[in-house]
Amino acid sequence: DTGVSQDPRHKITKRGQNVTFRCDPISEHNRLYWYRQTLGQGPEFLTYFQNEAQLEKSRLLSDRFSAERPKGSFSTLEIQRTEQGDSAMYLCASSPSGARYGYTFGSGTRLTVV
Amino acid sequence: LAKTTQPISMDSYEGQEVNITCSHNNIATNDYITWYQQFPSQGPRFIIQGYKTKVTNEVASLFIPADRKSSTLSLPRVSLSDTAVYYCLVGDGGGATNKLIFGTGTLLAVQP
Repeated sequence: DTGVSQDPRHKITKRGQNVTFRCDPISEHNRLYWYRQTLGQGPEFLTYFQNEAQLEKSRLLSDRFSAERPKGSFSTLEIQRTEQGDSAMYLCASSPSGARYGYTFGSGTRLTVV
Repeated sequence: LAKTTQPISMDSYEGQEVNITCSHNNIATNDYITWYQQFPSQGPRFIIQGYKTKVTNEVASLFIPADRKSSTLSLPRVSLSDTAVYYCLVGDGGGATNKLIFGTGTLLAVQP
C-alpha cells in the first residue's frame, strides 16, 4: 500500500458544472477525512467518515457538496454547480480508529473553476 | 479544540538549527501536540507528536514545558529541502474528536 491516493490531481471546470473527486485511503484505515485548502491558509475540515458512516460535516459543506464512502473503502466528493469560490485544493486523509498519531494525507486534487 | 498561535514566517540558512514556537494557552488535559509539514502542492505530512517534556525522532525534536501552554519544534541542521509550511495542532490526536484543526502555519524559508 503506497498511501492515500487522490484522483484527479488537477481539475479545471467551468462555473456551473459538476465535479467529482475520488480518494483511496490506506486499506486498513477505517477513518477518512476531507479537507479544503485555499492559498495561504491551512486545511479546513469538511467531513469525516468512520467506515461507511458519515459522522460529521462542517458548515463549510454547503448543500452543493456531497461525500460518500460506499462499503467503507474509497470515498468520493462531489461538488454540484461549481462556483469560482470552490477553487481550492481538496485533500483527503485517513487513519486507523483511535489513532493518537498523525493522519496520512493524500497529495490532493487542485480544482480551478473558470 | 485549543487554538494555536505561531509565527507566520521564519528565515534560516542551511546548516542552522531552527526552532518554531507555538502557543496554546487553552490546551486541555487530554490534548496532544502534533506538528505537520507541508510542501507546495502536497498534503500535510506528520512530523512529531508529544504530550509533555521532550520527544525526539529522526526528523525533529519537540520540547514541551511543564505548563504545556507552548511547545517548540526543533529542526537540526536544516537544508533547502526543509523549506515548507509547519503547522502546530493541539487536540487528543484524533482519538475522540476525530478531526484536526489547522491554523495558518509557519512558512520556513531556508536559504543557501
